[in-house]
Amino acid sequence: AQSVTQPDIHITVSEGASLELRCNYSYGATPYLFWYVQSPGQGLQLLLKYFSGDTLVQGIKGFEAEFKRSQSSFNLRKPSVHWSDAAEYFCAVGAESYNQGGKLIFGQGTELSVKP
Amino acid sequence: KAGVTQTPRYLIKTRGQQVTLSCSPISGHRSVSWYQQTPGQGLQFLFEYFSETQRNKGNFPGRFSGRQFSNSRSEMNVSTLELGDSALYLCASSLARASGANVLTFGAGSRLTVL
Repeated sequence: AQSVTQPDIHITVSEGASLELRCNYSYGATPYLFWYVQSPGQGLQLLLKYFSGDTLVQGIKGFEAEFKRSQSSFNLRKPSVHWSDAAEYFCAVGAESYNQGGKLIFGQGTELSVKP
Repeated sequence: KAGVTQTPRYLIKTRGQQVTLSCSPISGHRSVSWYQQTPGQGLQFLFEYFSETQRNKGNFPGRFSGRQFSNSRSEMNVSTLELGDSALYLCASSLARASGANVLTFGAGSRLTVL
């Protein structure tokens, strides 16, 4: 069965420091991968996605992610974190079976805290 | 253009009652999916509607149901509420590609508290 694992439940980084959030997936074929961010009391906002092609994808707010098939990973990175980046981050994979386009399998999320 | 709109944003119910949540998708989006978010179980897929038909369903009891109208607006209903139904219910709309290469846009959610 498909699954997504985010090993880090909570990460704290200093403002201006670099960030890497880990995501591992289990999937039979080429996965459709997503990173979403959720601020307190809000819905999910799409940061970036990978469907095919270049394995390094750029997203909004200065985020990027790299797809590594050999490691079944899709880690999210940002070179310099801002206090406004404090939020919860979710990695997700699109359902493998056809006709399940509305279904995403989410990881448990990583809560990011930013120290001044 | 307007995003995904969910109403109500907050509601409190008691055990045994039922609740109906509403979702208006982005204009032109024909698919609406619903998710339940809880601290213990995380984000779980409830069901997806496309062209007024349920296209697929997650692993939830029959107390959870939904429907979609001809204008793509959707409602979900939970009957005989239990304490464990307390959650943030998120709606997402998309262009309804059948494959997983489908970008979902989420609403702000409806926060349900069951007492």
